[in-house]
Amino acid sequence: EAGVVQSPRYKIIEKKQPVAFWCNPISGHNTLYWYRQNLGQGPELLIRYENEEAVDDSQLPKDRFSAERLKGVDSTLKIQPAELGDSAVYLCASSLVPGSGELFFGEGSRLTVL
Amino acid sequence: KNQVEQSPQSLIILEGKNCTLQCNYTVSPFSNLRWYKQDTGRGPVSLTIMTFSENTKSNGRYTATLDADTKQSSLHITASQLSDSASYICVVNTGNQFYFGTGTSLTVIP
Repeated sequence: EAGVVQSPRYKIIEKKQPVAFWCNPISGHNTLYWYRQNLGQGPELLIRYENEEAVDDSQLPKDRFSAERLKGVDSTLKIQPAELGDSAVYLCASSLVPGSGELFFGEGSRLTVL
Repeated sequence: KNQVEQSPQSLIILEGKNCTLQCNYTVSPFSNLRWYKQDTGRGPVSLTIMTFSENTKSNGRYTATLDADTKQSSLHITASQLSDSASYICVVNTGNQFYFGTGTSLTVIP
């Protein structure tokens, strides 16, 4: 069974440029999460989806970040425009049981903003 | 405030030695606690889950403990191997939200 797939693995951009990350969760997992992880820190939740509905986006910086999960399967996280402080690893995770099950993480997308 | 604190922040041990990582939490309500292993450049992977009624659970050379009264958990690694070098993250779940610790970075040297 395929795990959570993310792309790209690495992205280097200049500040003020846009960037997008893509995530395909494990088949059958209706809950999808986007996390941001800074070096030496634990993941911080950006947004959580139940199917196509964003049920928790309270920590998403909505002035520059946006996310979508149009058909309730794969998801895209966008940053526009990127700032130096956005350099981090963006992790996507999915779970079978909403809110309490095991989180299955992708390998992450490492963003460097110059 | 719901928080998860881990100690030590980093640890270096010799191959073959044992070590214990600590996790203290103030999260409430408590549903379960998981330890995740995160290799460099990879996503976290679950090692073990502890529920309220469980005190000890083993997964190979990994043994997790939970004291729900004092809200403490530990992860003991026996006979460490080079491949144990990673970050270990404690995650407490309320049944609706996950709270992450900042992790312990373990380096096993030959």
